[in-house]
Amino acid sequence: AQKITQTQPGMFVQEKEAVTLDCTYDTSDPSYGLFWYKQPSSGEMIFLIYQGSYDQQNATEGRYSLNFQKARKSANLVISASQLGDSAMYFCAMREGLTGNTPLVFGKGTRLSVIA
Amino acid sequence: EAGVTQFPSHSVIEKGQTVTLRCDPISGHDNLYWYRRVMGKEIKFLLHFVKESKQDESGMPNNRFLAERTGGTYSTLKVQPAELEDSGVYFCASSPTLPEAPVNSPLHFGNGTRLTVT
Repeated sequence: AQKITQTQPGMFVQEKEAVTLDCTYDTSDPSYGLFWYKQPSSGEMIFLIYQGSYDQQNATEGRYSLNFQKARKSANLVISASQLGDSAMYFCAMREGLTGNTPLVFGKGTRLSVIA
Repeated sequence: EAGVTQFPSHSVIEKGQTVTLRCDPISGHDNLYWYRRVMGKEIKFLLHFVKESKQDESGMPNNRFLAERTGGTYSTLKVQPAELEDSGVYFCASSPTLPEAPVNSPLHFGNGTRLTVT
């Protein structure tokens, strides 16, 4: 069964510094996709970045990048040049298989606090 | 386009009462999912609709929970009778259904309904 583990309940980072949020996953399916979502205090879930199991390169979206280490089954989110507005809950999620018509499985999340 | 909307945003009810949560997905999205997050725990999958059909309801906790999606548009999630452990934030998400929807299709979430059972 697919499983997502986020071992950091909370993280602090100084403004303008980079931070890495950890995510490990477990699946027996060779085909899968990994997602990161941000949930600010307002409550909405914002999709940030995606990495496919067959992607050769790490995904990047602006200040977000994904450090994908397939052999270690890790998909850590790296936020560069942290901003105060990055303070939020961050969830890692996974979908098995080759189609998008299936649910995502989520981890417990990491609360990131950016300090001025 | 309008996003996924959920109503109400908050609900406080007493144990034993009934509550109905509503979700309006993005127009044209046939996939509709319900999730729940209890404080400090993962966002847990409850069920998945494709149009009006229940594709997967393996995450529904018990028969006190009833989800419907008549007509394949909005969905409701009824909890009857509510118990203390039902407290949490209930999220709805939608995504388009394509014959070969790519695995990178993200889910579009609503802001959630915070349910408190006292």
